[in-house]
Order: sequence, then C-alpha cells, then structure tokens
Amino acid sequence: KQEVTQIPAALSVPEGENLVLNCSFTDSAIYNLQWFRQDPGKGLTSLLLIQSSQREQTSGRLNASLDKSSGRSTLYIAASQPGDSATYLCAVPQGGSEKLVFGKGTKLTVNP
Amino acid sequence: ETGVTQSPTHLIKTRGQQVTLRCSSQSGHNTVSWYQQALGQGPQFIFQYYREEENGRGNFPPRFSGLQFPNYSSELNVNALELDDSALYLCASSPMVLAGGDTQYFGPGTRLTVL
Repeated sequence: KQEVTQIPAALSVPEGENLVLNCSFTDSAIYNLQWFRQDPGKGLTSLLLIQSSQREQTSGRLNASLDKSSGRSTLYIAASQPGDSATYLCAVPQGGSEKLVFGKGTKLTVNP
Repeated sequence: ETGVTQSPTHLIKTRGQQVTLRCSSQSGHNTVSWYQQALGQGPQFIFQYYREEENGRGNFPPRFSGLQFPNYSSELNVNALELDDSALYLCASSPMVLAGGDTQYFGPGTRLTVL
C-alpha cells in the first residue's frame, strides 16, 4: 500500500527566501508524481507533473525533482512571495491506476 | 475550454439525511474521480468512473455511491450521513484512464457540513 509523507507540516519564511518542500513515498514503482497547490477552502491546482522517466520539471520559480529509487521528491520555490502562501500537496498514483495517494501537505506562509 | 465545476459550493445537512453532489468534467475528459478531504488532511480517493462505469474504489462504505452520465458529468451520493462525513468533496477529471500518466484537473470542491 502506497503511503506519502510530507515534511515539514508547516513552514513560515520571510519574503524572498528560497525554500524546499519534501515528499516521500513508500512504493517506488510509480508512473509519475504530481505537486498541487491548495488555497484555504479551495480546490487543488496542479503545479508540476513529473513522469517516472524524468528527474525534474520546472515552471517559473518552481522546480520539482524526483528520485524514484529513494522514494523522494522535492519542490523548490525560488524567491518566495506572499502570494505563494498556501498548502502544497504531493500525490502519486496507486499502482497502475489513476487513484492518487496524497500526503497531508505542507502549509507555507511567506511573510512580507 | 471550461474547467471542472462542482455544485453546490456549500451544503449543510443533518445526520441520517442523504446528499447529492454534482461535478461537470473538463471538456474532452471521460474519466472522473471523487475525493474526500477532511480538515487538515490530504484528499482520500472515494471512487473513479470511466465511460459511465466504476473503475476503482477506495476504502469507503457502500453508502457512498456515484454515477457518470453520457456527457461525462458525475454525481456523488451519500446516504445516511454521519458527522464524520463533514469534509471538502473534490471532483477531478482527466482525458482517459492511462495508467496514471495524465494530470488530473480538480474542481473547486463542495464543502459539506453534517450537524
């Protein structure tokens, strides 16, 4: 059974700081890994999807890496801004299905 | 291209009642999944529908049921509501069932409160 863990649970940083969010998963036989952003009480916005054959993906100030063998992914946010404040979730498909298994998320607060 | 929409936005019910939540998939998507997200937790998979057939189910009791219609819109029905059913219910659509290869697009969710 796939389990996903995210560390830290919460993070507070000053504006402009570079930061790293961590995600680990127990079953390395994954097809991809996805990072989402969730604003309070809202739905999920997909940020980055990394296929199992890739090692990293970049979108603007965001960079996600994937190390299948160690069961880890990191989301790097450069030059953080107050608008980045949200909960960040990572998710992997369960087995060969479309069922996504999520971590509990990291709640990020960027202070002006 | 319209995104995934859900209705209603908020809903308040009492224990024992029944509720129906609705989801309209993104245009061109034939797969829809439903998730339950309790406060402070990650979303939990309820079930998935592909071309009107259930295509996988999570660890939820039978009082959680669903439908997918020919236009790929979907419903989640919950009978005999319990207090623990209070949560944000998220619907997600994707272009096809492809062994986890596609991004899933999430709707804004329905906040259900059971009193």
